[in-house]
Amino acid sequence: AQKVTQAQTEISVVEKEDVTLDCVYETRDTTYYLFWYKQPPSGELVFLIRRNSFDEQNEISGRYSWNFQKSTSSFNFTITASQVVDSAVYFCALALYSSASKIIFGSGTRLSIRP
Amino acid sequence: EAGVAQSPRYKIIEKRQSVAFWCNPISGHATLYWYQQILGQGPKLLIQFQNNGVVDDSQLPKDRFSAERLKGVDSTLKIQPAKLEDSAVYLCASSLSQDLYEQYFGPGTRLTVT
Repeated sequence: AQKVTQAQTEISVVEKEDVTLDCVYETRDTTYYLFWYKQPPSGELVFLIRRNSFDEQNEISGRYSWNFQKSTSSFNFTITASQVVDSAVYFCALALYSSASKIIFGSGTRLSIRP
Repeated sequence: EAGVAQSPRYKIIEKRQSVAFWCNPISGHATLYWYQQILGQGPKLLIQFQNNGVVDDSQLPKDRFSAERLKGVDSTLKIQPAKLEDSAVYLCASSLSQDLYEQYFGPGTRLTVT
C-alpha cells in the first residue's frame, strides 16, 4: 500500500527565516509521481510541483526548492526567506504511474510565518 | 480563465438529513474529482469521473453517498442520510484528462453535521 507521512503537524517561524517541510513516502512501485500542494486559508489546493520517480534532480523555483532522495524515500520542501503570505497548510502527495490520477495525500503541515 | 466553482461554501445540517453539493469544473476539463477532507487530514478521493463515466469510486461509501455528472460538465455529490462523521470539507477538482496530473481545485464546501 502507498503512504505519505508528514511528521511535522505545525511549524511556526519568523518572517525571513528559512523553513523545510519534511515528506516521507512509501511505495513498492518503482514508477510514481510526487507532488506538493499549498492550501491557503481560502481553501483551494494550489499545485506547486510534480516530480517523477526517474528524476532525482533538485528543483528551485524562486524562493521554493525541493529535495528528492529515493534512497531515503523523501521529498522535502524548503522555503527560503519566508514571507507572511507563505502561511498555509502544505500537502505532500504520491501517485503511481499505474493509477496516476489517484493522488494520495499526506496529512499536511500547517506553516505559520510570524511578522 | 474561471476556476472550479463549488456551492454552497458552507452547510450545516442535522444527522439523518440529506445534503447535495454542486461543482462546475474548468471549461474543457474532461476529468472531475470529488475529495473529502476531514479536519487535520489530507484530501481523500471519493470518486473520479471521465466525462460522464465513473473511473474510480472505490472509496465512496455507496450506502449513503452518490454522485453524478450527467452531461459531462457539472457534477453533484449527495449524502443521504448524513452522519456526524461526514463533517468535512468536500473538494471538487478537475483536470484536462486523467493522464494529466495537474488537478485544479475549487474552494470546497464545508459541511457540519450536528
